[in-house]
Amino acid sequence: GQNIDQPTEMTATEGAIVQINCTYQTSGFNGLFWYQQHAGEAPTFLSYNVLDGLEEKGRFSSFLSRSKGYSYLLLKELQMKDSASYLCAVTSRGSTLGRLYFGRGTQLTVWP
Amino acid sequence: AAGVIQSPRHLIKEKRETATLKCYPIPRHDTVYWYQQGPGQDPQFLISFYEKMQSDKGSIPDRFSAQQFSDYHSELNMSSLELGDSALYFCASSQTVRQGITVEQYFGPGTRLTVT
Repeated sequence: GQNIDQPTEMTATEGAIVQINCTYQTSGFNGLFWYQQHAGEAPTFLSYNVLDGLEEKGRFSSFLSRSKGYSYLLLKELQMKDSASYLCAVTSRGSTLGRLYFGRGTQLTVWP
Repeated sequence: AAGVIQSPRHLIKEKRETATLKCYPIPRHDTVYWYQQGPGQDPQFLISFYEKMQSDKGSIPDRFSAQQFSDYHSELNMSSLELGDSALYFCASSQTVRQGITVEQYFGPGTRLTVT
């Protein structure tokens, strides 16, 4: 099965940098996704990592270490609109057609 | 850019009634996924379809069924509704997923189902 763990809540101030960690245990790891979800809205794709290393996309970066079963999402120059839940999700080769296994999400609150 | 369309956006049903949720994927996306998200919970995978055939099945109750049609839209049929079925139901779509290759899924706005 899949076991995905991330902190429940985090807070930060506008303009700061925040790192949201995600650890996972999965058989046949085949990629890790980060999604942003505002309350009552659809998850929005942020990033995808399948190889070790850092993927940068504007203010958002995501890192993966497959040997450690670890990823983080780095958000820079935080804005109030970044207040949302951030979901870590993995796919498995055992399910080759893309089923996502989600963590419980990290609720980020950005203060002015 | 076109996004995933879901209808209805809100649905209120009574216990033991039936409900049908519809999903229209992004054009040229041929894989559709259904997820259920309860209050304060993470999305749980229900079922997926690739080229109109069921491709994967998750924690979908036997009371639920789904299919994908020739125009690639999908419908989730829910019968004998229970209070615990109250949740947000998301549909997501992606382009062809081949063996061992994962691509990102784009989520629709969801259908909020309330069972009273």
